[in-house]
Amino acid sequence: GESVGLHLPTLSVQEGDNSIINCAYSNSASDYFIWYKQESGKGPQFIIDIRSNMDKRQGQRVTVLLNKTVKHLSLQIAATQPGDSAVYFCAESPPGGGADGLTFGKGTHLIIQP
Amino acid sequence: GAGVSQSPSNKVTEKGKDVELRCDPISGHTALYWYRQSLGQGLEFLIYFQGNSAPDKSGLPSDRFSAERTGGSVSTLTIQRTQQEDSAVYLCASSLGQGRQPQHFGDGTRLSIL
Repeated sequence: GESVGLHLPTLSVQEGDNSIINCAYSNSASDYFIWYKQESGKGPQFIIDIRSNMDKRQGQRVTVLLNKTVKHLSLQIAATQPGDSAVYFCAESPPGGGADGLTFGKGTHLIIQP
Repeated sequence: GAGVSQSPSNKVTEKGKDVELRCDPISGHTALYWYRQSLGQGLEFLIYFQGNSAPDKSGLPSDRFSAERTGGSVSTLTIQRTQQEDSAVYLCASSLGQGRQPQHFGDGTRLSIL
């Protein structure tokens, strides 16, 4: 079946640099996407979402970009801090809505170097 | 607290025993979701409730799994005759409604089957 995947399992960046985490999705009918951050022993924490009628959405230090032409999603984190170390998941919502749940990728482990 | 609450946080049991996992969603959230996360993996969708109703139970891994929700609030996930492959973190999420609403997760129940 179709699923969401990630380009890199681990990303290492210097503290203070910007981070870019990528995600490829294959269900062209998906119309809602979410980024989550998961720290060890915790549940996924909502970061930012975007609907398919948008290309870009900004939050506090984070930006999500959606390219529907190539079915690509990215999360940009500005001025990365040690507290940003975590596993980041993208998730897509099929058009059926809640009854189908979210489809998650396997996650990217973001490591912040001092 | 204002977040999704799950109990117990950890559960160790012997193969063949039944277990019951509890989820208390965010107040006012009508939609509730159960997911399973195996070690180092993404999340696998199990079941969704809108109010007390679960329209599709096909995501449950086997007939040993069941879930219910009463009063539009607390939900329980029951696993009968547990097997070692049931070992995982079971996560619950809730949202204001189905569809294009972010799901907010609890910290999960870490289930270990001996």
